[in-house]
Amino acid sequence: GAGVSQSPSNKVTEKGKDVELRCDPISGHTALYWYRQSLGQGLEFLIYFQGNSAPDKSGLPSDRFSAERTGGSVSTLTIQRTQQEDSAVYLCASSLAGVREKLFFGSGTQLSVL
Amino acid sequence: DQQVKQNSPSLSVQEGRISILNCDYTNSMFDYFLWYKKYPAEGPTFLISISSIKDKNEDGRFTVFLNKSAKHLSLHIVPSQPGDSAVYFCAASGDGGQNFVFGPGTRLSVLP
Repeated sequence: GAGVSQSPSNKVTEKGKDVELRCDPISGHTALYWYRQSLGQGLEFLIYFQGNSAPDKSGLPSDRFSAERTGGSVSTLTIQRTQQEDSAVYLCASSLAGVREKLFFGSGTQLSVL
Repeated sequence: DQQVKQNSPSLSVQEGRISILNCDYTNSMFDYFLWYKKYPAEGPTFLISISSIKDKNEDGRFTVFLNKSAKHLSLHIVPSQPGDSAVYFCAASGDGGQNFVFGPGTRLSVLP
């Protein structure tokens, strides 16, 4: 596609429910990143994929968070047993391989946990 | 402990004047820096980058300066325009890592 696509754009859920957030990166981009931005905060790194493997999961805040990527393309971020502190904008970005390439971000998923 | 700091949460500048956004980092292994701009309800968009082998990079109205000894970089926008009003994030990477570390952002308001 022309850009990074994320769905849904907004998600409201109840505390304790599981949610799945989807990211479609730019075609041909092998690197994929998940970040989140809590209200009034900066971008917090969650996880990085190179192809289908995740060499850096250091930012996942707890074992309730997991992510996968299939076919070197679409990625899903899953949050189990959501908590109110999980409320944030979850941003996905993709880039051509290599740390020196700039990231292209999607518009994000606004997650609200009630 | 924040590795990338943007100590000014907000900045207001008159249209036509220069905007200077600052960023400080603590990790001496960082060697590649980027600036992103973010409008509400949109993802950040890339503005300009600089490698540690340079101390200045210019692209139109945007110039980034890097002072490695002070671990400081700044983004200059001149002349500032109302459309530049957004949140600006500084990001850094290095040491062979694939992760970009972002600062907390500075909200720039350019007043007409």
